[in-house]
Amino acid sequence: GDSVTQMEGPVTLSEEAFLTINCTYTATGYPSLFWYVQYPGEGLQLLLKATKADDKGSNKGFEATYRKETTSFHLEKGSVQVSDSAVYFCALSAKGESGGSNYKLTFGKGTLLTVNP
Amino acid sequence: GAGVSQSPSNKVTEKGKDVELRCDPISGHTALYWYRQSLGQGLEFLIYFQGNSAPDKSGLPSDRFSAERTGGSVSTLTIQRTQQEDSAVYLCASSRVWTFSEAFFGQGTRLTVV
Repeated sequence: GDSVTQMEGPVTLSEEAFLTINCTYTATGYPSLFWYVQYPGEGLQLLLKATKADDKGSNKGFEATYRKETTSFHLEKGSVQVSDSAVYFCALSAKGESGGSNYKLTFGKGTLLTVNP
Repeated sequence: GAGVSQSPSNKVTEKGKDVELRCDPISGHTALYWYRQSLGQGLEFLIYFQGNSAPDKSGLPSDRFSAERTGGSVSTLTIQRTQQEDSAVYLCASSRVWTFSEAFFGQGTRLTVV
């Protein structure tokens, strides 16, 4: 079945540090890939997405590139801020086992990021 | 509606009681998910509805858990004979059926079993 593996946290960084959160996946066919973010006390929201190989998703200074050859979608940011402290989830959308139009989202376990001033 | 709506936002119940959690997805979204998020844990998939297809119930932790989706819209997650380990935030999400469509999440229902 489909699966998403992301680096275990927690990750603690100082403000303006470089961030990488690794994410790899297994899926049949050509999935779409997503990063979601959950800020403290808030619901999950989409951060960025990529729908085909070599696409780069970007938002709020975060980037992730869909790498089919390494089945990866690592999240990066050049200079993190305290306000980036949150839990980050990698996810994929791929056809379910019954195929057809049955697309199902699969999430990783999440990575807690804490940015200190 | 404008977003995914869940009710109640908070529920405290006594051990052994049954509870029902409700989810109103975004209009036009045919896919609906239930997830559970325990304190400090990631997302635990529970159940997935897609149109008229048979739901994927592979994530339901026990037969005390059940869910239905009436008319392809509103969904209810029912937990019977609640246990303390059922305490968690229950999240509902909906999406269009296309592969590139992201899921939109509700704010969740925080369930506390005492």
